[in-house]
Amino acid sequence: DTEVTQTPKHLVMGMTNKKSLKCEQHMGHRAMYWYKQKAKKPPELMFVYSYEKLSINESVPSRFSPECPNSSLLNLHLHALQPEDSALYLCASSQPMRLAGRKYEQYFGPGTRLTVT
Amino acid sequence: KQEVTQIPAALSVPEGENLVLNCSFTDSAIYNLQWFRQDPGKGLTSLLLIQSSQREQTSGRLNASLDKSSGRSTLYIAASQPGDSATYLCAVPLNAGGTSYGKLTFGQGTILTVHP
Repeated sequence: DTEVTQTPKHLVMGMTNKKSLKCEQHMGHRAMYWYKQKAKKPPELMFVYSYEKLSINESVPSRFSPECPNSSLLNLHLHALQPEDSALYLCASSQPMRLAGRKYEQYFGPGTRLTVT
Repeated sequence: KQEVTQIPAALSVPEGENLVLNCSFTDSAIYNLQWFRQDPGKGLTSLLLIQSSQREQTSGRLNASLDKSSGRSTLYIAASQPGDSATYLCAVPLNAGGTSYGKLTFGQGTILTVHP
């Protein structure tokens, strides 16, 4: 099974709402990633969790709050977002790089299309 | 700092043509290079992973080549079909200081349109 799942597929929220995005993988990967992608641009890394600990925060505003409850799940909690946060949010996972070596590969989910009104 | 460039930015071809997408990178010390396909509003689908020790990888009508010394990779699509229309992205991983995760550096992508 090389699938990463994300829910919901679409989300519309107001600027005062609180919502969460969910990501799940069952490949035994110990690194999980959140990306933000705007139209006609490549994905931009937001957060990296390694062995369930936050390893990278790419200077993301605090209105985005990641959480990794266990090795299979990754959440992104959203609060007080701005219209410019509207984007496709992608989750990815990978084996640890020192184990995978040259076979290191990230597997992406289908994304959540977020619209902030 | 690794920089990845893809040329052309957009490509429109008639069905049946063979085509080549280009990806170049500035730092040749790479683990591998990954080619992705992305349909509008969808996630990234991995097409081919070519390891730094390999010269080519093939999957069906797709063939990816890698020349580390010149910092280039090409994705060759044979006998293109309208269903191949999508954005194609290449990416190389950076090992962030020997940690367990990698950071992908993406090119800007090539938007491919195959018309009937």
